[in-house]
Amino acid sequence: DTGVSQDPRHKITKRGQNVTFRCDPISEHNRLYWYRQTLGQGPEFLTYFQNEAQLEKSRLLSDRFSAERPKGSFSTLEIQRTEQGDSAMYLCASSPSIGMANQPQHFGDGTRLSIL
Amino acid sequence: AQSVTQPDIHITVSEGASLELRCNYSYGATPYLFWYVQSPGQGLQLLLKYFSGDTLVQGIKGFEAEFKRSQSSFNLRKPSVHWSDAAEYFCAVGILKTSYDKVIFGPGTSLSVIP
Repeated sequence: DTGVSQDPRHKITKRGQNVTFRCDPISEHNRLYWYRQTLGQGPEFLTYFQNEAQLEKSRLLSDRFSAERPKGSFSTLEIQRTEQGDSAMYLCASSPSIGMANQPQHFGDGTRLSIL
Repeated sequence: AQSVTQPDIHITVSEGASLELRCNYSYGATPYLFWYVQSPGQGLQLLLKYFSGDTLVQGIKGFEAEFKRSQSSFNLRKPSVHWSDAAEYFCAVGILKTSYDKVIFGPGTSLSVIP
């Protein structure tokens, strides 16, 4: 168990470019979450996967955002036509689905996105 | 609507002093409650969790928290703070939805430790 891994750790890009982030969850975890965290705030929920199925998306996830988890293992989060307001830390978390509730989410170290 | 408030944006304590970080939640049912810690540039690490049973829960790094249903609070405590405890602390409430647990985080409390 090496924990949740995110790549890259930092991404700097110009406004209007597309970016893609990757998350590798803990191997036996079939639940995967994406969050966005801006400076001085707690993480805000973006989307949730149960295996390969994307079961919920926040209204924060505009049409420029898309997330996939094609084989139920790693996940990618893509932002198209980036805007200044997209600058944030993007966190990935995973948890097992033993039982229904009360399984804590394990977080990766995040990808910090800076839009020039 | 469900929410979490952390009244203190920033707290400064001296090393060796005791610490209490406040957390209040709003949720109609029995909540699942968490405290996470985040060091600069890092992800969140789980300190402790409350699901049911004993309202005083012990966590890692010498932290504990007490669930008080009557006050809708889940305050985090540590009897003696170490310089390495300087970080951002997030209280969170877990809400059981149809297929997963939605976690709502508070805005965080930044802790500084004076040597």
